[in-house]
Amino acid sequence: EDQVTQSPEALRLQEGESSSLNCSYTVSGLRGLFWYRQDPGKGPEFLFTLYSAGEEKEKERLKATLTKKESFLHITAPKPEDSATYLCAVQNFGNEKLTFGTGTRLTIIP
Amino acid sequence: EAQVTQNPRYLITVTGKKLTVTCSQNMNHEYMSWYRQDPGLGLRQIYYSMNVEVTDKGDVPEGYKVSRKEKRNFPLILESPSPNQTSLYFCASLSGSGHEQYFGPGTRLTVT
Repeated sequence: EDQVTQSPEALRLQEGESSSLNCSYTVSGLRGLFWYRQDPGKGPEFLFTLYSAGEEKEKERLKATLTKKESFLHITAPKPEDSATYLCAVQNFGNEKLTFGTGTRLTIIP
Repeated sequence: EAQVTQNPRYLITVTGKKLTVTCSQNMNHEYMSWYRQDPGLGLRQIYYSMNVEVTDKGDVPEGYKVSRKEKRNFPLILESPSPNQTSLYFCASLSGSGHEQYFGPGTRLTVT
């Protein structure tokens, strides 16, 4: 059974204080690992897809990296508008199922 | 504008009264899926479809049905809703090439 574990559950940072969110996964065959941002009461918003170990992708203050067992979402010099829940998911190559983690709730304090 | 739409956005119903939540996408995506989101449990996949007339069970399919007669539409059917199906539901579609997944705005369902 595919599993995704995200840590920490919640993270509070001062504005400008860089940090990383972790997503550990087990999957029989990885088609892709996804990162999303979710604001309260809204649908998740796609950020990145990573396909293979060593891959990295960047978007503004966010950078996602992937190894064979985990992915990190690095947040550099965050701003209050980066406050949200960040979700990680893996898609199984064999059956195309998607499995999500429970997310990291990030709060950036001005 | 690329989007996934869901209707209704909010629904309060009673146990046993059949209901359908509609989902439509305008991006010609082949892959569509339904999720429910509950506090502490995250997003869990209910059903997914890799193309027209092709559907498969996700992690929590019990009590739900789906159909995929057209590429753009993927309705979620609750034949006999129960209170444990009270949840926030999301429909999503996934592009084949870039693997970008787009989510709808959500349907908040309460079953009393």
